[in-house]
Amino acid sequence: GQNIDQPTEMTATEGAIVQINCTYQTSGFNGLFWYQQHAGEAPTFLSYNVLDGLEEKGRFSSFLSRSKGYSYLLLKELQMKDSASYLCAVMDSNYQLIWGAGTKLIIKP
Amino acid sequence: DGGITQSPKYLFRKEGQNVTLSCEQNLNHDAMYWYRQDPGQGLRLIYYSQIVNDFQKGDIAEGYSVSREKKESFPLTVTSAQKNPTAFYLCASSGLADADTQYFGPGTRLTVL
Repeated sequence: GQNIDQPTEMTATEGAIVQINCTYQTSGFNGLFWYQQHAGEAPTFLSYNVLDGLEEKGRFSSFLSRSKGYSYLLLKELQMKDSASYLCAVMDSNYQLIWGAGTKLIIKP
Repeated sequence: DGGITQSPKYLFRKEGQNVTLSCEQNLNHDAMYWYRQDPGQGLRLIYYSQIVNDFQKGDIAEGYSVSREKKESFPLTVTSAQKNPTAFYLCASSGLADADTQYFGPGTRLTVL
């Protein structure tokens, strides 16, 4: 079966750095997406990785290792507004997105 | 101002009633999707459409129906056959290129009383 695993909840301090991990087992791989979702709102696109390595976009970076079936989202200089759920999704061989359950990130002052 | 709109934001219905959720996009996207989100679970695909007048079942299509009469619109009907319809429903759209990013509407929270 297809499976995406990410931690259920993480806590971090304002101004610090946090890494949210995602491991996957899917039928084929056509890229990995990270989305941010504030409570009761729509997911918003953060990043897309299809090749191994690190993609940096401002305070957010995303890393992919296809051989290990592993990705992480790195958030630097955390702000209170970063409190949200972070969703990992993998596009399988049929170009369908398989979604993880999301990681709820709590930022403390 | 391009985007995806869903209405209403909150919807209440009695058991045994059908209800239709609206989804409209002005991004000129060919593909549209309906997902269901439940606490502690990943998004699950209900239906998707890549072209007008054509749509395919996702993983959990039972108890739902859709139509795609216009490129901009992809309404979802939750029928009385859906056993557990209370959930947060998200509509998304994307271009047709492989691995195109999906963009989401604000969602409709349906509660069955």
